[in-house]
Amino acid sequence: DGGITQSPKYLFRKEGQNVTLSCEQNLNHDAMYWYRQDPGQGLRLIYYSQIVNDFQKGDIAEGYSVSREKKESFPLTVTSAQKNPTAFYLCASSVGPNQPQHFGDGTRLSIL
Amino acid sequence: GQQLNQSPQSMFIQEGEDVSMNCTSSSIFNTWLWYKQDPGEGPVLLIALYKAGELTSNGRLTAQFGITRKDSFLNISASIPSDVGIYFCAGPPYNNNDMRFGAGTRLTVKP
Repeated sequence: DGGITQSPKYLFRKEGQNVTLSCEQNLNHDAMYWYRQDPGQGLRLIYYSQIVNDFQKGDIAEGYSVSREKKESFPLTVTSAQKNPTAFYLCASSVGPNQPQHFGDGTRLSIL
Repeated sequence: GQQLNQSPQSMFIQEGEDVSMNCTSSSIFNTWLWYKQDPGEGPVLLIALYKAGELTSNGRLTAQFGITRKDSFLNISASIPSDVGIYFCAGPPYNNNDMRFGAGTRLTVKP
């Protein structure tokens, strides 16, 4: 089955620690995205990538970093510079930039 | 950036009732998308609209692309408990590659 897989489902971070969220897709999509969702709010774009080895900052990129070394993979690192990292993180992919996005099941990050 | 205004924010309805929600923007959109998100999961695409005036159904769900291209509507007929969730509208504004999302409509269905 084709789809997007996010792991882990739940993640805990200690103060001052970097953590990496995994996102893998086997849909052969060129574009991939990371969103942050806070309770009762919509989706805010962190980073996106339209092609391998290229990515762009979204609306709230500060404190986050990404890489796109393979078409299938778009990992997100939440760095210690992100002072309020507790949120639900969603990864998505699409055929192209204006096409419908397909989402993974999310990773919930909490602070210990 | 261009904002999507989604209303209502939340709805509490009785099982069997019909539901209407809408999404508006000050910008023209080329595509309107409607997603549903269940608790603790990612949004799932319900309906995609590509043409002004287009009316598309997916089971009990019907969505319309507004004639002005600045709005879209989603209707759910004969609601059932599993319709509970958050419904998001989304789309790329004209001449812009950024996908925008509404803040969502939270639907609660009482049995």
